[in-house]
Amino acid sequence: DGGITQSPKYLFRKEGQNVTLSCEQNLNHDAMYWYRQDPGQGLRLIYYSQIVNDFQKGDIAEGYSVSREKKESFPLTVTSAQKNPTAFYLCASSLRTGLSLAKNIQYFGAGTRLSVL
Amino acid sequence: GQQVMQIPQYQHVQEGEDFTTYCNSSTTLSNIQWYKQRPGGHPVFLIQLVKSGEVKKQKRLTFQFGEAKKNSSLHITATQTTDVGTYFCAGLEGGSEKLVFGKGTKLTVNP
Repeated sequence: DGGITQSPKYLFRKEGQNVTLSCEQNLNHDAMYWYRQDPGQGLRLIYYSQIVNDFQKGDIAEGYSVSREKKESFPLTVTSAQKNPTAFYLCASSLRTGLSLAKNIQYFGAGTRLSVL
Repeated sequence: GQQVMQIPQYQHVQEGEDFTTYCNSSTTLSNIQWYKQRPGGHPVFLIQLVKSGEVKKQKRLTFQFGEAKKNSSLHITATQTTDVGTYFCAGLEGGSEKLVFGKGTKLTVNP
């Protein structure tokens, strides 16, 4: 909460269209994450990044792409290859994973709800 | 890969009743975290447990981490309508970079 901004709040995608979800943080956090949430489901990790210009696939990366050109920004593109994109997308950040257990507490943005027209 | 199972998926209680949600991992965890997501909102960090057998309290909420560091529970005493939401556990496996979330327990409280 506070310091992580996701936009837009609602987004509609047409068939065959790529759309990009924005995530910006001013917490000076190293690590950033994208999750997908479907009704009745938990949070499924799409991509994560621990450092600028580096990112790793999560559990459900197919049909998505990301970039990490700046520490504070981690945009997610939902490509036309993602056939079932309707979901709630959450971006999160943390100081850093692994190095210190106290530093991997995740702070979430308010989310983007993506629907297909 | 690591899996975190959380039960029950849903829980309906009368205001004033107690509530417990349980989290079980297929592997030993370095730590376990609990998050709360209010209806229409986003997950918010509640607490982190690190030590085997650890117990922490936050007012009416009691969190436990099992001796084997493979399970955890969240207990709410005398629920209130403000407790409504979905509670998620999330575990970090030793040497892993990724938190693995349970599917959550959705709590509804009837006034």
